[in-house]
Amino acid sequence: DSGVTQTPKHLITATGQRVTLRCSPRSGDLSVYWYQQSLDQGLQFLIQYYNGEERAKGNILERFSAQQFPDLHSELNLSSLELGDSALYFCASATSGTGETQYFGPGTRLLVL
Amino acid sequence: GEDVEQSLFLSVREGDSSVINCTYTDSSSTYLYWYKQEPGAGLQLLTYIFSNMDMKQDQRLTVLLNKKDKHLSLRIADTQTGDSAIYFCAEMSNAGNMLTFGGGTRLMVKP
Repeated sequence: DSGVTQTPKHLITATGQRVTLRCSPRSGDLSVYWYQQSLDQGLQFLIQYYNGEERAKGNILERFSAQQFPDLHSELNLSSLELGDSALYFCASATSGTGETQYFGPGTRLLVL
Repeated sequence: GEDVEQSLFLSVREGDSSVINCTYTDSSSTYLYWYKQEPGAGLQLLTYIFSNMDMKQDQRLTVLLNKKDKHLSLRIADTQTGDSAIYFCAEMSNAGNMLTFGGGTRLMVKP
C-alpha cells in the first residue's frame, strides 16, 4: 500500500458525459501527478500540482482539467468524454516539487461506452 | 523528445535470474526507475538510481546503469512466481517533474 488513495476504483459512463476522479496524496506529500495508462498510448504524464499550484503540464487534452485543494487532495475532471478516453488513470504523489520519488495510487479504471 | 524502450516479453524458470533491459534517449535524465505492475493493480516503485551511479543493489534486485549507452537493466535474482508482472522502466526529466515510461516488459515465471 503506497498511501495514495484514489476514488472511485471503477467508473462506467457514456460518451459526452463528464466525470471527476479524486486523489488523496500520502501524508506530508505536497505534489500530485496525474497519469493516463491506455493500451495504445501506454503510460503518459498528464499534469502536476504542487501545493495547490499547477507545476507542469504534459499530454493533457483541453477537455481535461485538474486542481489541487488546500487540503492537498486533487481532482481530475474529464468532460465531453469519448470512447478513446477509456483508460486507467493514476495519481502519484511526492514530497517535493521535483518529485524524485513518486508513489502511485491504485488507479481509477474509466470505461466510456 | 524523450523516448524509453523496453522489450515486450521475458519468460524465465523459477529460481533463475531475470534481466529486464531498457534504453532511453534523454541524456539529461536525473533519475531512472523501475516500477512493477501486477494484474489489476497500480504501479509499485521497486527501485531507482541516480544518474551518476553505475549500480544499485537492493536485496534480490540489482540495477545497472550504462550512461554512455543510455542503457538500464534490472536483474532479479532467484526469480519467483510472485515476480510475474509487468515491469516499467521510467526516467525523470531534467526539469524534475514528469516521468517518461517505457512500454513495459511482461515477465512470466514458469514453475
